Order: sequence, then C-alpha cells, then structure tokens
Amino acid sequence: TQLLEQSPQFLSIQEGENLTVYCNSSSVFSSLQWYRQEPGEGPVLLVTVVTGGEVKKLKRLTFQFGDARKDSSLHITAAQPGDTGLYLCAGDKVTGKLIFGQGTTLQVKP
Amino acid sequence: DAGVIQSPRHEVTEMGQEVTLRCKPISGHNSLFWYRQTMMRGLELLIYFNNNVPIDDSGMPEDRFSAKMPNASFSTLKIQPSEPRDSAVYFCASRYSGRAIADEQFFGPGTRLTVL
Repeated sequence: TQLLEQSPQFLSIQEGENLTVYCNSSSVFSSLQWYRQEPGEGPVLLVTVVTGGEVKKLKRLTFQFGDARKDSSLHITAAQPGDTGLYLCAGDKVTGKLIFGQGTTLQVKP
Repeated sequence: DAGVIQSPRHEVTEMGQEVTLRCKPISGHNSLFWYRQTMMRGLELLIYFNNNVPIDDSGMPEDRFSAKMPNASFSTLKIQPSEPRDSAVYFCASRYSGRAIADEQFFGPGTRLTVL
C-alpha cells in the first residue's frame, strides 16, 4: 500500500511553462518534505513544511501543506531546464522514519 | 564535510554471491538509514539506526538482508545470498535527530547493484 500518492508520475514541458505536482495521502503527517533527485545522485532536501496550510517559497518553487496535513503541492513557475529531475515528497509520522511517494519525473525542454 | 560516503558506487555480481554495501555517515549525525530505490517500488526504507541501535527493520525484505552499525561512523548492509530481484540502487542517509521535527536527511550517492 502506497501511503503517499504523487501525481503526475511523468511530466514533460517546455521552458517557461508552469506546473504543479501533487502529493496526497489519507494519513496525517507531522511534517512533509520535498526532495529533488538528479540522475546518479541521492535525493536533496528542498523544503520541510510543518504547519497545516503553510506555504513556503524557494525562488520559483512554491510549496503548500494542506490544512489537514494530509496533502501537499509543489508549484514551479516559469520552469527552466535546470529544474529537470525527480521530485519526491516524503511524510514524517514522528516515528523517525520518512515515507516517500513514488516520485514525479520532470523534464523541461529548452 | 565530505557528506555521506558509500562504497562501492557500482557492484555487479552473480546470483548466490554475498554482497556488502558500506556507508560512512556525516560526522556528528546520530541516525542512519538504508533505502532501496527501484523503478517499480520507488524509494523504500529498509532499516534505520539511532545511536548505532537498530530501531526499525520492518522494511528489510527477508532474512537474506542484514545490516550492522558497529560504531557511529560506519554501517554495512549485507545480502547473502543475492538474487536478481535485489538489483536496485541502495542509498544510505544520515541526520542529526533531536533538534526539530523532520530534521533533514542527507543522502549518499548510492550503490547501484546488479545481480546477474
């Protein structure tokens, strides 16, 4: 059973377009993290959201945690080829371990 | 800091052979995690340690898998005997747990294992 569902799984867009990636669950998480992974490397943390309804911005990336702390979204404005990669959401249930979504593979074409 | 160090980066072995993956966490971190990543199943937690003690090994697939952390600066993940379905990228991650909710995990570059 996949506790965190990410959508879409694959996304191919042109440079300059906007996109949104969703991370949904029926479970409540104490916090949620977003990671980005490039080929041949391990995931790297982008942001952690903790409070329901929280919005965080990282340059052209906007992250939101749902009010009920069951879902999250990542919005990228004016995507660049450098944004290409695998985006992973991960939920923490205060057990010490993260539960990862399947990931969204993003390709931004110049 | 050199970050999390994993070795080897690539391993090709034959079915039935023993495989040992190694990890050196970031100095000062007190939690260490072993993950497996495949296209089909994504990133799965296998086991994690706090202060060198295994806390949760519910993700370990079966008895063929074992992990140890003899000290704060070294951990191993062993597969014996290996099978083709064990082919995957294995990641080690570490973090300092205790300062805040969901402290950041730092991942190593991974070991790509191929079992023929």
